[in-house]
Amino acid sequence: ETAVFQTPNYHVTQVGNEVSFNCKQTLGHDTMYWYKQDSKKLLKIMFSYNNKQLIVNETVPRRFSPQSSDKAHLNLRIKSVEPEDSAVYLCASSQTGASNERLFFGHGTKLSVL
Amino acid sequence: QQQVRQSPQSLTVWEGETAILNCSYEDSTFDYFPWYRLFPGESPALLIAIRPVSNKKEDGRFTIFFNKREKKLSLHITDSQPGDSATYFCAARRWSWNYKYVFGAGTRLKVIA
Repeated sequence: ETAVFQTPNYHVTQVGNEVSFNCKQTLGHDTMYWYKQDSKKLLKIMFSYNNKQLIVNETVPRRFSPQSSDKAHLNLRIKSVEPEDSAVYLCASSQTGASNERLFFGHGTKLSVL
Repeated sequence: QQQVRQSPQSLTVWEGETAILNCSYEDSTFDYFPWYRLFPGESPALLIAIRPVSNKKEDGRFTIFFNKREKKLSLHITDSQPGDSATYFCAARRWSWNYKYVFGAGTRLKVIA
């Protein structure tokens, strides 16, 4: 049963365009993440928010910017996409301190940059 | 640099055999190691996890063996079934700083009937 919702599922765009991805979790978790999964299936963390505050900001190009309106939402904006941005972007959430802590992932947004 | 490494990249076993998936890490401060499983078309889901206080964690047909000294762990899947065919990711993080999970590149397992 999905509890982390991502939109859109797919997005095709051209170099230089701006794109935005949305993520919402209904689990009441306090931490949300954006991961990038490249063509080799490697999952790399991009950002992590805890209670609307940016906690982890890995070395990603400045054209990427996360946006969190509340702890249930974490969006990702790419200001001017590049070909290397083609990937699957996975949103996840977790509850810190839970004894059975785990990441709950959305189904991902596949971005294709032409 | 990749902090969590997995091998092999892909693995094929026959139904009923034991599949062994390997994982190693560099950061000695990592103290929580979950394994996630990804079926095609779905999102990764937690399969089993271990903390270094123990060197073995078992859950049905899935067992994690952990070697803290060598910074290695492995996932053993006994009596492999075709339904186990998926990509398995080893991950790591510091329990005291739980905002950053680092993932390996995954092992794609195929179980042939």
